[in-house]
Amino acid sequence: DAGVIQSPRHEVTEMGQEVTLRCKPISGHDYLFWYRQTMMRGLELLIYFNNNVPIDDSGMPEDRFSAKMPNASFSTLKIQPSEPRDSAVYFCASSPDRVNEQFFGPGTRLTVL
Amino acid sequence: AQKVTQAQTEISVVEKEDVTLDCVYETRDTTYYLFWYKQPPSGELVFLIRRNSFDEQNEISGRYSWNFQKSTSSFNFTITASQVVDSAVYFCALSEALRDDKIIFGKGTRLHILP
Repeated sequence: DAGVIQSPRHEVTEMGQEVTLRCKPISGHDYLFWYRQTMMRGLELLIYFNNNVPIDDSGMPEDRFSAKMPNASFSTLKIQPSEPRDSAVYFCASSPDRVNEQFFGPGTRLTVL
Repeated sequence: AQKVTQAQTEISVVEKEDVTLDCVYETRDTTYYLFWYKQPPSGELVFLIRRNSFDEQNEISGRYSWNFQKSTSSFNFTITASQVVDSAVYFCALSEALRDDKIIFGKGTRLHILP
């Protein structure tokens, strides 16, 4: 099993540009979570999906952030336009059900200049 | 409301010493799950253990052990004979899985094992 796959691993962009982060969950997992990690705020849940349907997006900072899950094997997190304060490590995680542990991807380190 | 408190922001110990990382949680539910994750310097989050609220038996896995006490709402993690490779940030987390799909993470404890 390849685990959760995220791309890119590193992204450096300029303020105002659109950024798209990608995630492939573990096959068979019904839940997919997007987190953001910063030194100041720690690990924050942004949004999660169950069976490709967004369930709770209350953690999405603002309208500049959007996430989609068009099928069971792919999800994107988009930031448009990006700002320097969006610089963080973004993790994707998947879980087979609501009571089991979440399996995390390696993260995408985003730097917005 | 859920809450996970890891009061120790940072700990440093000398290699081979034992170290305990504290975790205190708050929940009104009787059914919940507790987790520990490790985040080494490489950055990935690694699952260590899951414990459900009905199982208060302590768990031991090699040099790692976990002490779950419902009476004090604590789920502490002890590393025995610490090694430099144990240096990482450790997160405790809580899930009220019967009502919510989310896991709430504590702020983490950064552990330095000094050679």
